[in-house]
Amino acid sequence: AQSVTQLDSQVPVFEEAPVELRCNYSSSVSVYLFWYVQYPNQGLQLLLKYLSGSTLVKGINGFEAEFNKSQTSFHLRKPSVHISDTAEYFCAVANSGGYQKVTFGIGTKLQVIP
Amino acid sequence: DGGITQSPKYLFRKEGQNVTLSCEQNLNHDAMYWYRQDPGQGLRLIYYSQIVNDFQKGDIAEGYSVSREKKESFPLTVTSAQKNPTAFYLCASSEGLRNEQFFGPGTRLTVL
Repeated sequence: AQSVTQLDSQVPVFEEAPVELRCNYSSSVSVYLFWYVQYPNQGLQLLLKYLSGSTLVKGINGFEAEFNKSQTSFHLRKPSVHISDTAEYFCAVANSGGYQKVTFGIGTKLQVIP
Repeated sequence: DGGITQSPKYLFRKEGQNVTLSCEQNLNHDAMYWYRQDPGQGLRLIYYSQIVNDFQKGDIAEGYSVSREKKESFPLTVTSAQKNPTAFYLCASSEGLRNEQFFGPGTRLTVL
């Protein structure tokens, strides 16, 4: 069975500083990986996804993530955060060749400090 | 525009009453999902459906029921058997189970 671990429940960071939100997954087969963002009292919105190909994936709002198969990680990064990036971020994994549904992590709250 | 709609945005009910949350999608997706979200607990899957007239229990199905009579619609009923129904409920859809999910805006249910 697949699983995903988000190592930090909350990440405070000053405005214009870089940030990394960590995500590790567990799966015995090839995977698809996703990062979603949720603003307060709203649904989730896809930031980026890895299906195959280049391990560096660029998404919306200046975010990017790198797929590292040997470390089973898919960390999310942004070089300079803005107040508007304050939100909750969810990592998710799915087996690329199977019929199992997507599994979500528990979420990381990013708090950008002015 | 294609997307998922959930109604209402806020819902208040008295304890012991059943309540139905609406979810409609016009993305032509086969799969639909219901999640419950509580502070600090991430997303917990209630039910999902891969195709019309078929659905499966998720991790916390007790006290909930669903139907999938149309491809576009996947309503969730919160029954009086659900011990702690106050939560934020999210509906989602996807082309297939392993594909990216598209989420609705959510319904916040408060049971008084």
